[in-house]
Amino acid sequence: GDSVTQMEGPVTLSEEAFLTINCTYTATGYPSLFWYVQYPGEGLQLLLKATKADDKGSNKGFEATYRKETTSFHLEKGSVQVSDSAVYFCALRGSGAGSYQLTFGKGTKLSVIP
Amino acid sequence: EPEVTQTPSHQVTQMGQEVILRCVPISNHLYFYWYRQILGQKVEFLVSFYNNEISEKSEIFDDQFSVERPDGSNFTLKIRSTKLEDSAMYFCASSGGTTEGEAFFGQGTRLTVV
Repeated sequence: GDSVTQMEGPVTLSEEAFLTINCTYTATGYPSLFWYVQYPGEGLQLLLKATKADDKGSNKGFEATYRKETTSFHLEKGSVQVSDSAVYFCALRGSGAGSYQLTFGKGTKLSVIP
Repeated sequence: EPEVTQTPSHQVTQMGQEVILRCVPISNHLYFYWYRQILGQKVEFLVSFYNNEISEKSEIFDDQFSVERPDGSNFTLKIRSTKLEDSAMYFCASSGGTTEGEAFFGQGTRLTVV
């Protein structure tokens, strides 16, 4: 079945540091890929998405590129801020007809210190 | 901005009791979902609901679980006889139904079974 593996946390960075959170997936066909973020005390929010190979999703300074050859969708940000402290989830949605469920990774907790 | 709302935010129940978790999805959405996250583990898909019936369910969604859309706005998850291992954060989500439609999540209900 489909699966998502993302780097274990927690990750602690200083403000303005470069962020990479690795995510790889296993799926048949051509899944859509997502990054969700959960700020403290809040629900899951879509951060960015990519629906086909070589697409780059971007939002709020975060980027991720859908790499089919390496089955990866790594999240990057050039300069993190304290307000980016949250839990980040990589997820995929399969390409099967009528399938809308998301398969999530375990989540990576990011703490950014001033 | 439209949002998915869940009530209660936290529920404590005794083992063997029935619980009902409530969700109000975004009004024009067509697909509704329940996910859960046991502390420290992945967000796991439970069930999806479309056109007043279950469209997909996972192995977790056994006979102890049921979902209902009792009126035009609410979407509920019932656990018939709770077990200690049902303790988790339960997330409701809804989406507009297109294959690329974003799933919007609620803030979650933390269920604690004692």
